[in-house]
Parts: sequence; structure tokens; C-alpha cells
Amino acid sequence: QKEVEQNSGPLSVPEGAIASLNCTYSDRVSQSFFWYRQYSGKSPELIMSIYSNGDKEDGRFTAQLNKASQYVSLLIRDSQPSDSATYLCAVNNPNTGNQFYFGTGTSLTVIP
Amino acid sequence: ETGVTQSPTHLIKTRGQQVTLRCSSQSGHNTVSWYQQALGQGPQFIFQYYREEENGRGNFPPRFSGLQFPNYSSELNVNALELDDSALYLCASSFSRRGAMDTQYFGPGTRLTVL
Repeated sequence: QKEVEQNSGPLSVPEGAIASLNCTYSDRVSQSFFWYRQYSGKSPELIMSIYSNGDKEDGRFTAQLNKASQYVSLLIRDSQPSDSATYLCAVNNPNTGNQFYFGTGTSLTVIP
Repeated sequence: ETGVTQSPTHLIKTRGQQVTLRCSSQSGHNTVSWYQQALGQGPQFIFQYYREEENGRGNFPPRFSGLQFPNYSSELNVNALELDDSALYLCASSFSRRGAMDTQYFGPGTRLTVL
């Protein structure tokens, strides 16, 4: 079983719609959760971090964490063509030397 | 930009050769982690350096080794290169205290091609 799982997509949404990206993780002791955006040929850039159950909003982005279900999601409101990228979910497990585990990423395309 | 720099940006080597990749961490950060990202995959953790010592290692063979210097910059060395080592190598900088690590910020990466 992989530490972090994401649907690889591709996910396509029309411009202005809400894009919903999902991620599940296997180790219940995981404490910190991150969403990164990666454009083709570039390195990952941090979008949001979340540490507590519930929602965290930052502009058009909302991260949702449910530790009981071992589930973290990212909602992108008013999607723009510039949001087209691969979105990586990362989980920090303090029991394994603070290693970050990444999913394989979900490819998002926003159609103008 | 994150303030994390890596060099070189691209590198072409042949099987059996050795390579050294370099990373300068963001100001104020004391921890550097290295990742390997193959095409279409998420980054895979290689190892982490904290205060000049290895502080965690992923499932990579000993021919992958590293160093961290007093200024917190770091090197990744790979010996006896194999074709499967072709990937984007990412350095991530963060601040750690008392075993807890804060958010990681990535450098631009080094694209390694092994022929």
C-alpha cells in the first residue's frame, strides 16, 4: 500500500468552475499535510499546508483535512487556465525521520 | 521564488560515471532534503540533512550519498550511474527545531540524463 494516493487524472474543468483534488494517506500518525503545484518541467511550489481537521482557506484555494478518514483535499474556486498543472499531495510522518511522502500527482486542465 | 538554488540545471552523464549535485538552502533554514522525481511520478525521498548529519533516508542504495556544510548548503553524490538514475533531482529547504520540521520549499531542480 502506498503512503499517499491520488487520482492521476487527468481532471478537466471549465474556466470558472470548482476543481476538486483528493488525496488519501495510509499512516494515521501523519501530522502535516501539504499541497504543491508543479508546472511541466518545473519544480513543485507550495500552495497550502494544513495541520488540523477542518478547512483552511487561502484566496481561491481551500484545503480540507479529515484525519479520521485519512483524507485531505484541495478545492480551487473560479479555476483559471493558469491553474493547469499537476497537483502533488505531501504528507509528513514524524515516525520516519520527518520524511515527506508524495503522491504521484493529479493532472488538472482548466479549459478556457 | 523560494531562495533555494541548485546547480547545475542540466547534466548529461554516461553509465558508470559519478555526479555531484549542489544545493544552497534558503536563508534561515537548517535542513535540506533531497528527492528524485522520475517522469510522471511524485518526488521520492532520498535523504535529509540536519545540522550536517544525515537525518533520515529513503529506499535508495548506498551509492547515493550526501553532505551538508556549516552554511547549510548540501551536495548529493551518485556513484556508478545507472540508466534508471535519469530523473529530476530536487533539493528542498526547511527549518527544523527539536525534531519537528516545517514546510519544505523546493529549488528549481537538476535534470540528470544518464546515457
